[in-house]
Amino acid sequence: QKEVEQDPGPLSVPEGAIVSLNCTYSNSAFQYFMWYRQYSRKGPELLMYTYSSGNKEDGRFTAQVDKSSKYISLFIRDSQPSDSATYLCAMSAVGGTSYGKLTFGQGTILTVHP
Amino acid sequence: DADVTQTPRNRITKTGKRIMLECSQTKGHDRMYWYRQDPGLGLRLIYYSFDVKDINKGEISDGYSVSRQAQAKFSLSLESAIPNQTALYFCATSDQGQSFYGYTFGSGTRLTVV
Repeated sequence: QKEVEQDPGPLSVPEGAIVSLNCTYSNSAFQYFMWYRQYSRKGPELLMYTYSSGNKEDGRFTAQVDKSSKYISLFIRDSQPSDSATYLCAMSAVGGTSYGKLTFGQGTILTVHP
Repeated sequence: DADVTQTPRNRITKTGKRIMLECSQTKGHDRMYWYRQDPGLGLRLIYYSFDVKDINKGEISDGYSVSRQAQAKFSLSLESAIPNQTALYFCATSDQGQSFYGYTFGSGTRLTVV
């Protein structure tokens, strides 16, 4: 079983829809939770990160972390065609064997059509 | 110029050949990483280096080796390429303070082994 599980999709939504992307994890040592966005033929770019549990909002994007359920989410409001990309969740631990290294989910391919 | 530059962008090589992928960065970061990306598997860590004299294996290091020639340069070698090493390879960097979440990725090298 992978430490981080993410539904690969693909996910196709109309412009303006609310998008929900999710990951589950098994390593209780994870404390940093990230979302990266990857456009075709490009490397991943950091979209948002959260430390420990809670919510974080940045414009149309909201990240949620529920450590008790080992579940993280990314919500995209008013989705735009320019949001079409692969979204990768990633996690890291402050200590232990995962220290300073990111563990990624499989990535979800999102297409927002006009 | 890009912060993290990978060369070549694309490469086709034959089974059994030795090949080197190169990465250079202008971020001044101490930490550098090599990941491979496969469809449905996400990004998996091959090797990482926290400074020039500190090199460590990741989760899938078999068949690969690395060299940290300087703070800014980190090369990945496939000693004897095999077809299942066909993948997209990414180099990433981080500084110590942001190593839990703030990776900067290159644009990737698409490697095909025939």
